[in-house]
Amino acid sequence: AQKITQTQPGMFVQEKEAVTLDCTYDTSDPSYGLFWYKQPSSGEMIFLIYQGSYDQQNATEGRYSLNFQKARKSANLVISASQLGDSAMYFCAMREVYNQGGKLIFGQGTELSVKP
Amino acid sequence: DSGVTQTPKHLITATGQRVTLRCSPRSGDLSVYWYQQSLDQGLQFLIQYYNGEERAKGNILERFSAQQFPDLHSELNLSSLELGDSALYFCASSVAEREETQYFGPGTRLLVL
Repeated sequence: AQKITQTQPGMFVQEKEAVTLDCTYDTSDPSYGLFWYKQPSSGEMIFLIYQGSYDQQNATEGRYSLNFQKARKSANLVISASQLGDSAMYFCAMREVYNQGGKLIFGQGTELSVKP
Repeated sequence: DSGVTQTPKHLITATGQRVTLRCSPRSGDLSVYWYQQSLDQGLQFLIQYYNGEERAKGNILERFSAQQFPDLHSELNLSSLELGDSALYFCASSVAEREETQYFGPGTRLLVL
């Protein structure tokens, strides 16, 4: 069963506008963590933001924020004031705390293109 | 720069061969994870080590093996290589065993011809 779903294979956004990348997840673990990573065309995986399942407030890191809706099992990434350098693949990932080890389960990714 | 290093960056080899990928975690990190990224499978967890001991196994083939050494660096060994093993192999590290953010290395791009 797919545990992380990213339904947008590709998205376009105008420079300086905000964009939301969707992520839904499925787990029976009461404690879990949700992550977003960015993968530019150069290939490296860059950590962006983390949300714990018990965190009361949505996580924010600079221009990145995570819209966490626990009841709907969604963890959407919001990028404000998009920049050309934001063009990349974005992956949502989940870690189930009580699962064995600390492995991350990734979605299929969303390719974001920022237009000047 | 995440602080995780991986060598080599690129590797081209032939079917049936064996290769070793190396990873050095961030200073102070005890956990090392290996992931495989391919076009058809996406990003898949392979194996995790914590302070020298295997902690979790994912979809790792029997032809693949890994270990973590006393200095905490890790190696992923891939043998009897097949065309389908061509992929980007990532190493990631974290401070603790479960609950910390994983920081990824730049990856090793393996091409099997």
